[in-house]
Amino acid sequence: SQQGEEDPQALSIQEGENATMNCSYKTSINNLQWYRQNSGRGLVHLILIRSNEREKHSGRLRVTLDTSKKSSSLLITASRAADTASYFCATVLTDSWGKLQFGAGTQVVVTP
Amino acid sequence: ETGVTQSPTHLIKTRGQQVTLRCSSQSGHNTVSWYQQALGQGPQFIFQYYREEENGRGNFPPRFSGLQFPNYSSELNVNALELDDSALYLCASSHRQGPGYGYTFGSGTRLTVV
Repeated sequence: SQQGEEDPQALSIQEGENATMNCSYKTSINNLQWYRQNSGRGLVHLILIRSNEREKHSGRLRVTLDTSKKSSSLLITASRAADTASYFCATVLTDSWGKLQFGAGTQVVVTP
Repeated sequence: ETGVTQSPTHLIKTRGQQVTLRCSSQSGHNTVSWYQQALGQGPQFIFQYYREEENGRGNFPPRFSGLQFPNYSSELNVNALELDDSALYLCASSHRQGPGYGYTFGSGTRLTVV
């Protein structure tokens, strides 16, 4: 079974709107990472948030982590058509050697 | 600084054949992982190599094997191909072993087994 589960499975918004997607996981983590994938190609690393952090920002991206609820959210502000992609959360478990456990992803479509 | 490169980009094989996929890790990265991504799903961890040794493996049968070379490039070998092996195979590298680092992914090899 997958460690991370994203919600929603799909999201359709217009340019300029914000997009929020959530990730829930089951066991203790060392960190949680968000990746973007365009058209079934390679994944691009967006943000890594450690278990002792609660919020991180990178450009138009904001990630939160709530370890008590075992959940994370990714917010993309002022979305652009180029943000159209699938977004995956990946957890790295405590005491692991870095193996990423991915959810099934959220497919985001941004229309002009 | 070069990224992670994978070859070939696409491949069609017949059931029962063997295949070798190749990956050149990003300069300075000594840890390489391989992932299998079926259509519409998230990537699934196959195994990881650190300094030429396998140091972690996912739930894949022994017919999935790999190598890491002294220059940190890597190969994924799959024997006795099955139709369900059709997927995007992703290679990822990191500059350090351990849980606290992000990975750089290649663009993947799309394998179709017929």
